[in-house]
Amino acid sequence: DQQVKQNSPSLSVQEGRISILNCDYTNSMFDYFLWYKKYPAEGPTFLISISSIKDKNEDGRFTVFLNKSAKHLSLHIVPSQPGDSAVYFCAARRNQGGKLIFGQGTELSVKP
Amino acid sequence: NAGVMQNPRHLVRRRGQEARLRCSPMKGHSHVYWYRQLPEEGLKFMVYLQKENIIDESGMPKERFSAEFPKEGPSILRIQQVVRGDSAAYFCASSGYRDNNQPQHFGDGTRLSIL
Repeated sequence: DQQVKQNSPSLSVQEGRISILNCDYTNSMFDYFLWYKKYPAEGPTFLISISSIKDKNEDGRFTVFLNKSAKHLSLHIVPSQPGDSAVYFCAARRNQGGKLIFGQGTELSVKP
Repeated sequence: NAGVMQNPRHLVRRRGQEARLRCSPMKGHSHVYWYRQLPEEGLKFMVYLQKENIIDESGMPKERFSAEFPKEGPSILRIQQVVRGDSAAYFCASSGYRDNNQPQHFGDGTRLSIL
């Protein structure tokens, strides 16, 4: 039962353009969502998060949008840089539950 | 990923041996989580511990796997009588609070290979 889904296994974007990574979830009890970035042979690095009481959170080049009615969140990276090339995971957490439920990941490639 | 320390980074075991994976959380963090990543998959939750207590072990296989987080020292994930299917990357994460919206911070993982 895949409660968090990232339907695009890969995404290729030109440097300087916008990268949009998408994530869908099924459990309406999730109230906190996170995006992590992962390089090979390293652990996930926290990027940005959003609480379910908000619909947008911004941090520098990264913005996360949450559409609760559609059970959908997205990560926008503007402008994209070659160093952003990595696998991006979205994750969700239930109210007062500690564990994170991860999507399968989307591999972003930013071409110079 | 500075802060959460995992060792060893790579571990090779033969079938039937025991594997011990260690995790020291970030300074000031008392909540530890273990996740497993199989090849070509996302991270799957295994167990959530707070000092000396297991809070949630819903993701732990019923047999051969155990975890602890003693009052002193690192958290240990122990796999007894390893099999080929245990080959994976095992990640530890820590956080400072359970109910507040604080992200979990991850270590660089232990890559376990079973011969």
